[in-house]
Amino acid sequence: RKEVEQDPGPFNVPEGATVAFNCTYSNSASQSFFWYRQDCRKEPKLLMSVYSSGNEDGRFTAQLNRASQYISLLIRDSKLSDSATYLCVVNAGYNFNKFYFGSGTKLNVKP
Amino acid sequence: DADVTQTPRNRITKTGKRIMLECSQTKGHDRMYWYRQDPGLGLRLIYYSFDVKDINKGEISDGYSVSRQAQAKFSLSLESAIPNQTALYFCATSDPGRTGELFFGEGSRLTVL
Repeated sequence: RKEVEQDPGPFNVPEGATVAFNCTYSNSASQSFFWYRQDCRKEPKLLMSVYSSGNEDGRFTAQLNRASQYISLLIRDSKLSDSATYLCVVNAGYNFNKFYFGSGTKLNVKP
Repeated sequence: DADVTQTPRNRITKTGKRIMLECSQTKGHDRMYWYRQDPGLGLRLIYYSFDVKDINKGEISDGYSVSRQAQAKFSLSLESAIPNQTALYFCATSDPGRTGELFFGEGSRLTVL
């Protein structure tokens, strides 16, 4: 079983749509959670950290459910520029020494 | 200038050749990592280092070696490259004091013929 699992997509949505991605993780000792964005052939870049209480950054909302061991990302009012692959990243292990990556969910926002 | 710099950015080589990928960082982080990315597989950890004297194998270290020359420099070597090492390689750093966020270099695309 993979440490972090994501639906690879692609999710094809029109501009303005709301889209949600989920990610599940297997290690209940996981401590930190992130969503990274990766454009084609580029390096992953942090989109947002995910906090237990949930957090929002503009059009993006992240939620964490520790009991069910899943993380979600909601994108409202999708823009063409949101087209990318979204990576779910979980940090487990003693002293934050283990990062686990999902294989990514591809989002295509169409005009 | 990028905080995490990788060289070369692109490299084509032949089977059996020795290749070194270099990474340098200006973030002052002790922790450095090498990952490879293959389509559909996500990022997989090759090696990581928590300081100059600390080197650890990741999940796919076979066929690779690393050197931590200084806090700011962490290089990855393929002693005898093979075609299934064709991939996109990323160096990354992290600072555990900031919840462990990873900062990536721009990547090195390696093709082994």
